[in-house]
Amino acid sequence: RKEVEQDPGPFNVPEGATVAFNCTYSNSASQSFFWYRQDCRKEPKLLMSVYSSGNEDGRFTAQLNRASQYISLLIRDSKLSDSATYLCVVMPNAGNNRKLIWGLGTSLGVNP
Amino acid sequence: NAGVMQNPRHLVRRRGQEARLRCSPMKGHSHVYWYRQLPEEGLKFMVYLQKENIIDESGMPKERFSAEFPKEGPSILRIQQVVRGDSAAYFCASSPLGQTNYGYTFGSGTRLTVV
Repeated sequence: RKEVEQDPGPFNVPEGATVAFNCTYSNSASQSFFWYRQDCRKEPKLLMSVYSSGNEDGRFTAQLNRASQYISLLIRDSKLSDSATYLCVVMPNAGNNRKLIWGLGTSLGVNP
Repeated sequence: NAGVMQNPRHLVRRRGQEARLRCSPMKGHSHVYWYRQLPEEGLKFMVYLQKENIIDESGMPKERFSAEFPKEGPSILRIQQVVRGDSAAYFCASSPLGQTNYGYTFGSGTRLTVV
């Protein structure tokens, strides 16, 4: 089993749609969780951290279920500019080991 | 506060030459990570360094590749005797010590082309 697994997609949705991405991780002791966004031929950029209580940033909502080892990202009212690859990221270790484990990403295309 | 600086942005090398990729982390960041990304593929972890120490090099090919993060100056990823298969985007990222809810900040990458 991979350490971080995501549905690779691609997801193709019309503008204005709501889309959800799911991610599972294998290490139950994992400490921190993130969603990153990567545009074609660009560097990944942090979209949001994921907190145990769930968190929202505008049209984006992230949820964490530690019992199921499951993370989700919900995008409401999709825009053309949301087209990108969304990467689920997990930090399995506490302390000074800051190595992140990356999913392979889910590709999203938002169509007019 | 400048972000993570990578140079050069683009690098062309002939087969057999050496490639040196540089990364200056964000101010105050003491951890540096190198990733490689082939076209249409995901990020592949290569190496994780702190100043003067290699923490994890499990993703580094055993031959031709080396990395360092000296006490002074940028981190360097060095590829000796490059081959066509080394053509890829190489991303560097940095993070601060201690703050576990802080992810990585990436540089814009170096695109290596081996001809």
